[in-house]
Amino acid sequence: KAGVTQTPRYLIKTRGQQVTLSCSPISGHRSVSWYQQTPGQGLQFLFEYFSETQRNKGNFPGRFSGRQFSNSRSEMNVSTLELGDSALYLCASSLMGVNYGYTFGSGTRLTVV
Amino acid sequence: KNQVEQSPQSLIILEGKNCTLQCNYTVSPFSNLRWYKQDTGRGPVSLTIMTFSENTKSNGRYTATLDADTKQSSLHITASQLSDSASYICVSWGKLQFGAGTQVVVTP
Repeated sequence: KAGVTQTPRYLIKTRGQQVTLSCSPISGHRSVSWYQQTPGQGLQFLFEYFSETQRNKGNFPGRFSGRQFSNSRSEMNVSTLELGDSALYLCASSLMGVNYGYTFGSGTRLTVV
Repeated sequence: KNQVEQSPQSLIILEGKNCTLQCNYTVSPFSNLRWYKQDTGRGPVSLTIMTFSENTKSNGRYTATLDADTKQSSLHITASQLSDSASYICVSWGKLQFGAGTQVVVTP
């Protein structure tokens, strides 16, 4: 079966712009969570959505937001981009939620210039 | 302070040799501990999942151990292969915390 699909794979944006990343979970999975990975900070949890509701949130500023649609697809938005937002953004899907089996996508590499 | 600490930060091993990676966690509550392998430019892939009642779990050449009393876990790679070159990340679930990862390089 298809895995977790993230689009686009690579993205270059300018400081101050906004960006929207997309994640299509494994069919039947209702939980989608987002993570930021940088060389300095490693993996950090952004938020989790379950059945269109945000269920958990990490310690990121309000510039980072997300949503989940009725088909479980999810989008993450970052507004007013900063250089420090350059990172690999990973999405993971799960049948039930963060404490259950998780499958990661390959990520979107965002570069802010 | 990171509540999941991994060591070493990086290591280089010869193909065919064994190695052991360490993970110490202080996070609470604790539900389970997972080891992930992440190839460069790819998402992490789960290797093992262990609850506090399990102390050993294997996945092919990967064997994870967990000591819930000392809050330590290890990942042992047996007979390393070039494809084992990757970052290995320890993750504590319950309160989600990630280790910084150990970068493993296997050389011919």
